[in-house]
Amino acid sequence: EDQVTQSPEALRLQEGESSSLNCSYTVSGLRGLFWYRQDPGKGPEFLFTLYSAGEEKEKERLKATLTKKESFLHITAPKPEDSATYLCAVQTGRSNYKLTFGKGTLLTVNP
Amino acid sequence: NAGVTQTPKFRVLKTGQSMTLLCAQDMNHEYMYWYRQDPGMGLRLIHYSVGEGTTAKGEVPDGYNVSRLKKQNFLLGLESAAPSQTSVYFCASSRSEQETQYFGPGTRLLVL
Repeated sequence: EDQVTQSPEALRLQEGESSSLNCSYTVSGLRGLFWYRQDPGKGPEFLFTLYSAGEEKEKERLKATLTKKESFLHITAPKPEDSATYLCAVQTGRSNYKLTFGKGTLLTVNP
Repeated sequence: NAGVTQTPKFRVLKTGQSMTLLCAQDMNHEYMYWYRQDPGMGLRLIHYSVGEGTTAKGEVPDGYNVSRLKKQNFLLGLESAAPSQTSVYFCASSRSEQETQYFGPGTRLLVL
């Protein structure tokens, strides 16, 4: 069974304090790994897709990386508006349509 | 271009009542999905559709039915609501099976 584990469950940072969120996965035949951001009371907002180990993608203060067992979402010099829950999801070769989600990391950035 | 929209935003039902949640997308996507999100759990797939007129079960389909009569709409029905169906329901769509899924704003459902 595909499993996705995100850590930590919650992270509190000061504005400007860089850190990383982790998404580890146990799947058969990874097709893609997706990062979403979810604000309270809103739907998940797409951030990145990573397809193969070694791949990296960046958007503003966020950078996502992928290895064969895990992905990291690096947040550089975060701002309070980066506060949100960050979700990781994987798609595998067994069921291409289905995303298996982790439980998310709640990030709070204090000014 | 509104993306994915969901109706209603919030609903309260009594046990045994029925209701239909509506999802609409204006991106001409083939694939559409219904997920539920519960505290302490990841999003879980209820049903999905690979095109107009098709539907299939996801990982938690019991107690729900779906229909995709038009390409742009995907309906989720609860025939006899139960308190265990209290959740936030999200609709998503994608151009193909391997492409990014884009989510709607969600419907918060409370079953008393």
